[in-house]
Amino acid sequence: QVQLVESGGGVVQPGGSLSLSCTASGFTFSHYGMHWVRQAPGKGLEWVAFIRYDGSDKYYTDSVKGRSTISRDNSKSTAYLQMNSVRAEDTAVYYCARGVRAGNFDSWGQGTLVTVSS
Amino acid sequence: EIVLTQSPGTLSLSPGERATLSCRASQSVGSSYLAWYQQKPGQAPRLLIYGASSRATGIPDRFSGSGSGTDFTLTISRLEPEDFAVYYCQQYGRSPPFTFGGGTKVESK
Repeated sequence: QVQLVESGGGVVQPGGSLSLSCTASGFTFSHYGMHWVRQAPGKGLEWVAFIRYDGSDKYYTDSVKGRSTISRDNSKSTAYLQMNSVRAEDTAVYYCARGVRAGNFDSWGQGTLVTVSS
Repeated sequence: EIVLTQSPGTLSLSPGERATLSCRASQSVGSSYLAWYQQKPGQAPRLLIYGASSRATGIPDRFSGSGSGTDFTLTISRLEPEDFAVYYCQQYGRSPPFTFGGGTKVESK
């Protein structure tokens, strides 16, 4: 079955960097676009970034644009999110999700918590 | 950017009752690129409905979606105990950003 496992969460100091990974199994990873979606504590869902199946296109929400990079390694069935200059408002559970049908998410990981705090 | 507004914020109902959740978009959602997700505490969201009215794999037929343009509805025909959760609508399409509504919590009365 489809499985997505995020890793890399933890406590990050303001102004620091975070690096998240999402390892996929149970499907042909190279055939699907991948997304990162985050959820601040007690809040709703916010789409963060998307990368096409072959890495040819990448998109970001405005609040992370210019300080984030989404990437993937299809040989490792893994997607990545790197974010620099993190702020308190980046504190959230970060989910990776498989993209289908031009932008909805049919499978999700369990999420990894990132806390930005000194 | 398309803004999605969900109402009500909270819906208090009893098992067996019908739930009607609304999602209104600030501009037309092309080709009904509207999805609904369910999220229970401590869990990742689960896709329920895509294309405004198509049920995702394994979703019971008590869940149905309708609407087009700017007004969409998720209906749960008869609430089961496991249906008490938060529900989010999401719009998608040719290009990002892919925005979510603020959510509707369906709680047990």
